[in-house]
Amino acid sequence: DQQVKQNSPSLSVQEGRISILNCDYTNSMFDYFLWYKKYPAEGPTFLISISSIKDKNEDGRFTVFLNKSAKHLSLHIVPSQPGDSAVYFCAASSAYGNKLVFGAGTILRVKS
Amino acid sequence: DVKVTQSSRYLVKRTGEKVFLECVQDMDHENMFWYRQDPGLGLRLIYFSYDVKMKEKGDIPEGYSVSREKKERFSLILESASTNQTSMYLCASSLFPEDSPSPYEQYFGPGTRLTVT
Repeated sequence: DQQVKQNSPSLSVQEGRISILNCDYTNSMFDYFLWYKKYPAEGPTFLISISSIKDKNEDGRFTVFLNKSAKHLSLHIVPSQPGDSAVYFCAASSAYGNKLVFGAGTILRVKS
Repeated sequence: DVKVTQSSRYLVKRTGEKVFLECVQDMDHENMFWYRQDPGLGLRLIYFSYDVKMKEKGDIPEGYSVSREKKERFSLILESASTNQTSMYLCASSLFPEDSPSPYEQYFGPGTRLTVT
């Protein structure tokens, strides 16, 4: 049973436009959410996170939005750059553990 | 900078062989994790450890075991490798959330691409 779902396997965006990556979760105990980026043949690297007490967190071109009632979060990248082309993983954790539960990932392609 | 290193980037083994994957972190993190990444399935947790000699099963522990004799080192063992264990294996480490400026953030190694033939 997938507790964290990324329903879009891939997304293609033109350079300079906005990329929106979506993530849904089912476990209401999750209270911390993270986004990771992964290039081929490299390990995932942390991008941005959000606590459930917030509904938005911004870091440069990256913004994460959290809608707790809908159990949905999204990552916005503005403006998108070719170097943003990678696999993006959504992950969630609860206060009761040190573990992360990851989604299946979304492949983002930014075309120049 | 946190550094997580894995003993091999690429590994080819035969069915039935015992395989050791080593992971070392240099930031005195309490937690260490082993994942496998497969297309369409994301990262799935195999085992994790929150202290020396402590281990807990993740979501897919069957066919694997782990060892943590020292805080900085976490080994993944495939007792008898099978073709369905061909995958990318990723090691990660983290602090306890209450000790971290970035709670739950895990730091990953570069991964080991294991092929079992």
